[in-house]
Order: sequence, then C-alpha cells, then structure tokens
Amino acid sequence: AQSVAQPEDQVNVAEGNPLTVKCTYSVSGNPYLFWYVQYPNRGLQFLLKYITGDNLVKGSYGFEAEFNKSQTSFHLKKPSALVSDSALYFCAVRDAETGTASKLTFGTGTRLQVTL
Amino acid sequence: DTAVSQTPKYLVTQMGNDKSIKCEQNLGHDTMYWYKQDSKKFLKIMFSYNNKELIINETVPNRFSPKSPDKAHLNLHINSLELGDSAVYFCASSLTSGAPYEQYFGPGTRLTVT
Repeated sequence: AQSVAQPEDQVNVAEGNPLTVKCTYSVSGNPYLFWYVQYPNRGLQFLLKYITGDNLVKGSYGFEAEFNKSQTSFHLKKPSALVSDSALYFCAVRDAETGTASKLTFGTGTRLQVTL
Repeated sequence: DTAVSQTPKYLVTQMGNDKSIKCEQNLGHDTMYWYKQDSKKFLKIMFSYNNKELIINETVPNRFSPKSPDKAHLNLHINSLELGDSAVYFCASSLTSGAPYEQYFGPGTRLTVT
C-alpha cells in the first residue's frame, strides 16, 4: 500500500524568508510525486510533480521540490515566502508500476501561514 | 472557459433525501475522479472513470453511485443521505489514468446534511 506523511500540521514563516513544507512517502515501486495547493473555499491546484530525471523540480509561483530517494522525501521549498502563499498544501504519491487503475494518495495537508 | 466545473456549489439537504452532484470538464481528458474532503481537510478518492469505465471503486457505501455518460461528464448520486456524508466533494480529471499526468480539480461541492 502507498502512503504519504506530512509531519507538520502548520508551518509559520515570515515574508521574505525561505520556506519548507515536508513530505515523505511510501510506495512499493517507483513513485510519481505531486504537490497541490488549496486556497480557502477553492479546489486543489497543481504546483509541480516529479516523474523521473532531475531530483530538483520547479513549479508554479516560484515553488520547487527536491526528490530524495534514499530518504523517501519530496519536500516543497520556496526561497522567499509571500503572504499570498498562505494556503493548505498537499503532497501526493502514485505508484508508477500499478497501471491504469492506480490512485493518487494524498497526505493530510500542511497549512502554511506567512506573516509580515 | 472553466476547466472542471461542478454543480451545485453548495447543497443543503435533510437526512434521508437523495441528491446528485454534476461534474463536467472541457480539457479533453479521458479520466475523471470523485474525491471526498472531510472537515479535517483529509482528501480521499472515491471513484475513478476512464473512458466511461469504472476503474477505481474505493470502500464507499453503495448509497453512492457514480455515473459517466461520456468522457467529459461524471455525476455522483447519493441515496438516503446521512449526517456523515457532510463534506466537500471534489471532481477532478486527468489526461490518462495510467500515465503520470496531474489531476485538475473542480471548485468543490459543499454538502451539508441536517
């Protein structure tokens, strides 16, 4: 079975500071990894994904994430946080080996609060 | 030119009633999904259709019945609504279920059962 852990319910950071939102995963095969963001009363928006290749992936709004196979992690990062980044962030994983019926498993979400 | 749309946005109803939620996508995707997000924001897949064929059917009460009339539409019908069905239901779509494509989510339907 596949799973995702987001160990922090909330991350607080001052505007202009770097931010990290943590994610670790477990799959039996190779992972496809995704980050999504949810603003209040909105659906989830795709930020970035890791499929294969370069371990550092860049996404929307200046976010990036680093895939670390040995630590089974896929932490989301941004060099300089903005107040407008405040939202709920979800990490998700799919097992690359399970074909058309494979499902996306989401973490429990991390609320990012950026203050002035 | 909304990508994934859902109707209604809000749904308030009483226990025991039957209700439907509709979803449409204009992205040309062939796979659609229903997710349930509970009050703690935990997101869990319920169903997935690929080219109108049901391919994922999680442990969901059989009061919930999805229906996909074509690739662009996926509806969710709920019979005999219970208090525990109160949640936000999200529809999503992706290009192909077996490939590493991201999913695009609708705005959600907030269902409140009283």
